[in-house]
Amino acid sequence: KQEVTQIPAALSVPEGENLVLNCSFTDSAIYNLQWFRQDPGKGLTSLLLIQSSQREQTSGRLNASLDKSSGRSTLYIAASQPGDSATYLCAVTYSGGGADGLTFGKGTHLIIQP
Amino acid sequence: GAVVSQHPSWVICKSGTSVKIECRSLDFQATTMFWYRQFPKQSLMLMATSNEGSKATYEQGVEKDKFLINHASLTLSTLTVTSAHPEDSSFYICSAGRQSNQPQHFGDGTRLSIL
Repeated sequence: KQEVTQIPAALSVPEGENLVLNCSFTDSAIYNLQWFRQDPGKGLTSLLLIQSSQREQTSGRLNASLDKSSGRSTLYIAASQPGDSATYLCAVTYSGGGADGLTFGKGTHLIIQP
Repeated sequence: GAVVSQHPSWVICKSGTSVKIECRSLDFQATTMFWYRQFPKQSLMLMATSNEGSKATYEQGVEKDKFLINHASLTLSTLTVTSAHPEDSSFYICSAGRQSNQPQHFGDGTRLSIL
């Protein structure tokens, strides 16, 4: 059974700091990995998608890396802002045909202090 | 803007009621949609894969007679929680993707509370 683990479970930092969220997965034969943001009581917003053949993706202040062989991914958030406060979820899929759903970690609950 | 619409956002009803949740892809056709459930402080867990024109595929431990899925068109999948009980109270959310190498787009979810 594939498992996705996210560390830390919660993180609180002052505004302006750079931070790293970690994700690991037990089965390295992934097709792709996605990072999502979930606000309280809301749905998910896709932040970055990394294909298994890629090492990193960047979008604005966000950078996600992937080390498929070691089963790890990191999400780097630069110059954090209070609006970044949310739960960040990592998810993997093992099928390229769109036939399989995503396996999620439990998320990292991030609080950025003003 | 939203590419996947989910309705309703909130449902509060009595035990024994059946509840239908709709998931629509707004500007693309989705032959496959996914239904997830999230209990408080837990991760999202895949419940089932909804396949247009055929039976849904359920994950282990999910009762197919309890959670009825219908994917009658390329833009609409419905999840019906039959005879809901308090233990079915949860956050239900659907997703769909344009292509396999594109991000999955999620609806805003449905918070179901059974009294």
